Amino acid sequence: GQQVMQIPQYQHVQEGEDFTTYCNSSTTLSNIQWYKQRPGGHPVFLIQLVKSGEVKKQKRLTFQFGEAKKNSSLHITATQTTDVGTYFCAGGGDSNYQLIWGAGTKLIIKP
Amino acid sequence: DSGVTQTPKHLITATGQRVTLRCSPRSGDLSVYWYQQSLDQGLQFLIQYYNGEERAKGNILERFSAQQFPDLHSELNLSSLELGDSALYFCASSASRGNYNEQFFGPGTRLTVL
Repeated sequence: GQQVMQIPQYQHVQEGEDFTTYCNSSTTLSNIQWYKQRPGGHPVFLIQLVKSGEVKKQKRLTFQFGEAKKNSSLHITATQTTDVGTYFCAGGGDSNYQLIWGAGTKLIIKP
Repeated sequence: DSGVTQTPKHLITATGQRVTLRCSPRSGDLSVYWYQQSLDQGLQFLIQYYNGEERAKGNILERFSAQQFPDLHSELNLSSLELGDSALYFCASSASRGNYNEQFFGPGTRLTVL
């Protein structure tokens, strides 16, 4: 079945450093959504990308959807402690009803 | 607060038992999704209901079943529980059935099987 691979699984950064997580699919995605799950919390929707090559920004967060609609990335500039958590991508696949979830990237700020 | 409620918050039970987890979606949302998240793992999609009908099925075990009632609340039934079923179970809801809809997650039910 369809899969969305997300890397890395973990990323340790110093506060102030940048962070990037990548999602890749072997098939074209109709759309991609990004969610953030804080430690001990539940996933919270961040953004949705639909168009080929789309780039959206939310303050220090930049989201990209690839030209072929098979990959996406989330980049955080100058990380802060409030950015700690797990970031999930979820892509729309063949079925109109289902999102295919990546395994998540856990952002850890080094003390 | 996402507007999605889940009960109970915690559940501790023994192997071989059966439990029911309950979810009330956001007001007006017709779709309900169930997910399983084992410790420090990703989200495993289990099943989706839309307006009372099953719409999509993921990696749901035969020992697990779900339904959505006319008032749109949903229940996830887990039977013949095994130690490996211990996990956080999330319910999410969305306005419609398509995958373009933002999903709103509840706080989860933490199930511990002893």
